[in-house]
Amino acid sequence: QVQLQESGPGLVKPSETLSLTCTVSVGSINVGGFYWGWIRQPPGGGLEWIGNIDYSGNTYYNPSLESRVTISVDTSKNQFSLKVNSVTAADTATYYCARTGWELLPDFWGQGTLVTVSS
Amino acid sequence: QSALTQPPSVSGSPGQSVTISCTGGSSDIGTYQRVSWYQQPSGTAPRLVIYEVTNRPSGVPHRFSGSKSGNTASLTISGLQPEDEGDYYCSSYSSGGTSHVLFGGGTKLTVL
Repeated sequence: QVQLQESGPGLVKPSETLSLTCTVSVGSINVGGFYWGWIRQPPGGGLEWIGNIDYSGNTYYNPSLESRVTISVDTSKNQFSLKVNSVTAADTATYYCARTGWELLPDFWGQGTLVTVSS
Repeated sequence: QSALTQPPSVSGSPGQSVTISCTGGSSDIGTYQRVSWYQQPSGTAPRLVIYEVTNRPSGVPHRFSGSKSGNTASLTISGLQPEDEGDYYCSSYSSGGTSHVLFGGGTKLTVL
C-alpha cells in the first residue's frame, strides 16, 4: 500500500514562497500510469485541487492557481514538491499530497501538513 | 471552473440509509465515469470510499455504494453506523478547458 508524507515549514510570511515536499515511502514514484498530486483545505473549509505531475514531469494545474504554482518531481529521491509564490493569508491551509490515476483523482493520501501564512 | 454542488448536510439514525448528491455538468460528471467519493472524519485526512462512480476500494464496507444519472452522482450509505459520521466530498475529472479536477463543497453527515 502506497504511503506518502508531507514535509516543510509550518509558517510562511506573506509575499514569500511556500515550499513542501512529499516523500513516497512505500511504492515507486517512477511508475507509469500514475500521477502525484497536491490538494489543500483551508481551516473549516473544503478541498481544493492544486495540481498533478507524473514521473516524467508532465503537469496539470488548477487554472486559478497556475500563475503562482510549480510542481516538480525527483525520481531519485522518490519525492515530488510544491511551490506557491507570493502567498497571502488565503493560502493558509492543510496541504495534502496524494497518488492519483491517469484521471487525476486521488486514491492514497498523505496525512497532511498545516501551513500558516502570517508575519 | 465551478465546483461540484453538494448539500451542506445530511443526517440519519443508525441503521437507516442516506444519500448524498453531487451535481456537475456536461464537461465532467455528465461525460466521464471518473467520479470519486471521500470520507473525512474530523481532524483526519480524506479516505477514498468510491472510485469510478460505483467501485469500492478494498476494505470499504459494502454499505457504501455509488451511482450516476446524467450530471449528478450519488453516494448512498446503507445501514448507517456511528463511525460513518464525518464530511464527505465528491470529485470528478473535468475536460472543460484543460484537464483538471473538481471537488464538491462537502457534505457533513450526522448520525443521530
